[in-house]
Amino acid sequence: NAGVTQTPKFQVLKTGQSMTLQCAQDMNHEYMSWYRQDPGMGLRLIHYSVGAGITDQGEVPNGYNVSRSTTEDFPLRLLSAAPSQTSVYFCASSYSRGPTYNEQFFGPGTRLTVL
Amino acid sequence: KNEVEQSPQNLTAQEGEFITINCSYSVGISALHWLQQHPGGGIVSLFMLSSGKKKHGRLIATINIQEKHSSLHITASHPRDSAVYICAVSRSGGGADGLTFGKGTHLIIQP
Repeated sequence: NAGVTQTPKFQVLKTGQSMTLQCAQDMNHEYMSWYRQDPGMGLRLIHYSVGAGITDQGEVPNGYNVSRSTTEDFPLRLLSAAPSQTSVYFCASSYSRGPTYNEQFFGPGTRLTVL
Repeated sequence: KNEVEQSPQNLTAQEGEFITINCSYSVGISALHWLQQHPGGGIVSLFMLSSGKKKHGRLIATINIQEKHSSLHITASHPRDSAVYICAVSRSGGGADGLTFGKGTHLIIQP
């Protein structure tokens, strides 16, 4: 199993550009979430999903859009990038039952710089 | 006030010392997580607790549900333990609605 994968690893955008951060997991996890990590602020929840077709907002959703058309994929879209969105983005997934219930699996992160 | 508070924020110790990192939370939880992040690296789950105590190698995690407090202990610390340790809580079962994090404890173990 590849676990949780994220692409790209690094990205530089100009203000106003749009892009999609990809997240995929091959563990058949129902729950997936996106976080951003900023110095002094820690990790904060952007959006989460409890299954295909179901998404909801977290603590800092403004400027981001998500969709979940399959169990495996949970892309995060930046509609019009702003310098305040410069951050490291992590995707995570977890299982709703079984021996790994509640255990969180994190992707390797995407480092985004918006100029 | 943050829902998850960690202390200390920074900790420098000598190799071999016993390390304790504390976490307090103010909300009802399904589980408490201890995570490790090396500089420039990804995030690894160390422990997930809903009660009692867990041990993995030199790492021990405890939780007191009544006092809403958890501790992470490292015995016989080693320079490779240098990392940021993050406490997080999940409020819904399975972490369905994501985690809430403390700001992390930056640990440096000097040889």
